[in-house]
Amino acid sequence: GNSVTQMEGPVTLSEEAFLTINCTYTATGYPSLFWYVQYPGEGLQLLLKATKADDKGSNKGFEATYRKETTSFHLEKGSVQVSDSAVYFCALSDRSAGGTSYGKLTFGQGTILTVHP
Amino acid sequence: KAGVTQTPRYLIKTRGQQVTLSCSPISGHRSVSWYQQTPGQGLQFLFEYFSETQRNKGNFPGRFSGRQFSNSRSEMNVSTLELGDSALYLCASSLEGPGRPGGDTQYFGPGTRLTVL
Repeated sequence: GNSVTQMEGPVTLSEEAFLTINCTYTATGYPSLFWYVQYPGEGLQLLLKATKADDKGSNKGFEATYRKETTSFHLEKGSVQVSDSAVYFCALSDRSAGGTSYGKLTFGQGTILTVHP
Repeated sequence: KAGVTQTPRYLIKTRGQQVTLSCSPISGHRSVSWYQQTPGQGLQFLFEYFSETQRNKGNFPGRFSGRQFSNSRSEMNVSTLELGDSALYLCASSLEGPGRPGGDTQYFGPGTRLTVL
């Protein structure tokens, strides 16, 4: 089956530091990959996505590149802000798997990011 | 365009009761997926509906059920509540459908926080 593994957290950084959150996946087909962010007391917000190998998703200074050869989709940001403090989830959607994949995202366990001033 | 809305935002129930949660998708989205989020199990897929039909189901007991109406609004029901059902229930909508590039991108609502006492 499909699975997503994120780096162990929590991650604590100072403002303006470089951020990397690792994400690797296992999929039977050719998945789409996503990063979602969750702020306290809220639902998940789509941060960025990539649908094929070597695609780079980007949004709000965050970037992630779909690496098929290493089955990875690491999230990066060059300079984090206090407002980036949240939980980050890597996820995949494998539509090629047919019926068992309809409408189903497979999530990693989430990484808590705390940014200090 | 309005986002995904969920009602109610908070619910407190006692063991043995039943509960119904509601979700209104983004206008034009025909697929609605439901997830349960708990600290221990993370984000788990409950089921997905498309054009009033359940197309996919996760590994949850039959106490968890859902339906979708002709306007794509969806409800989920949990009967005979247990303490372990306390969770954040998230609904997501997408354009999912045949021939829909990018249709597997899901947009989430704010969630319903269910507490079972």
